Amino acid sequence: GAGVSQSPSNKVTEKGKDVELRCDPISGHTALYWYRQSLGQGLEFLIYFQGNSAPDKSGLPSDRFSAERTGGSVSTLTIQRTQQEDSAVYLCASSRIYSYTGELFFGEGSRLTVL
Amino acid sequence: GNSVTQMEGPVTLSEEAFLTINCTYTATGYPSLFWYVQYPGEGLQLLLKATKADDKGSNKGFEATYRKETTSFHLEKGSVQVSDSAVYFCALRSGAGSYQLTFGKGTKLSVIP
Repeated sequence: GAGVSQSPSNKVTEKGKDVELRCDPISGHTALYWYRQSLGQGLEFLIYFQGNSAPDKSGLPSDRFSAERTGGSVSTLTIQRTQQEDSAVYLCASSRIYSYTGELFFGEGSRLTVL
Repeated sequence: GNSVTQMEGPVTLSEEAFLTINCTYTATGYPSLFWYVQYPGEGLQLLLKATKADDKGSNKGFEATYRKETTSFHLEKGSVQVSDSAVYFCALRSGAGSYQLTFGKGTKLSVIP
């Protein structure tokens, strides 16, 4: 597609359930990022994928969070045993590798509400 | 580590008013600086950037100057419009080889007619 696509746009789940959030980056973009946007907290880096290299998972807040990127394209962020503090908007972004501008292209986000 | 501090919001202005959103940063090396904007119901998009000291980024009437001596990158616009209502994020990338952006907390701007 023309832009970064994320699904679902909204997800309401019960505490303790697992959720999966999907990101489809811009075609040809080899770098993919996940960020979390919590109320009043700005954007928090979660994980970075670049091509076939090992991902940078340094931002994942706990071992309940994991992400994979299959075939160098679509990525799935999984949150196991969700907690209320996981409620946030999860943003995916992609970019060309070695982009001089450093510009990231963001999707509209997946809003997660944990009851 | 790297950090970005921007002024607390929300900011409410009348149409045609002058806008300043302050942003200061802490970083090692020579960072590149960015302003991103998030319009209601949309994803973040790059508004402007500056890659070295004294550079001025500009777009859509917005400007920001990279001030290394004050470690600042304040966003300004001379005459805001209702359509500028959005959340504005200041961000930095710490060096040419760095892939990660560090963002501020965002400042919500509302422009009223």
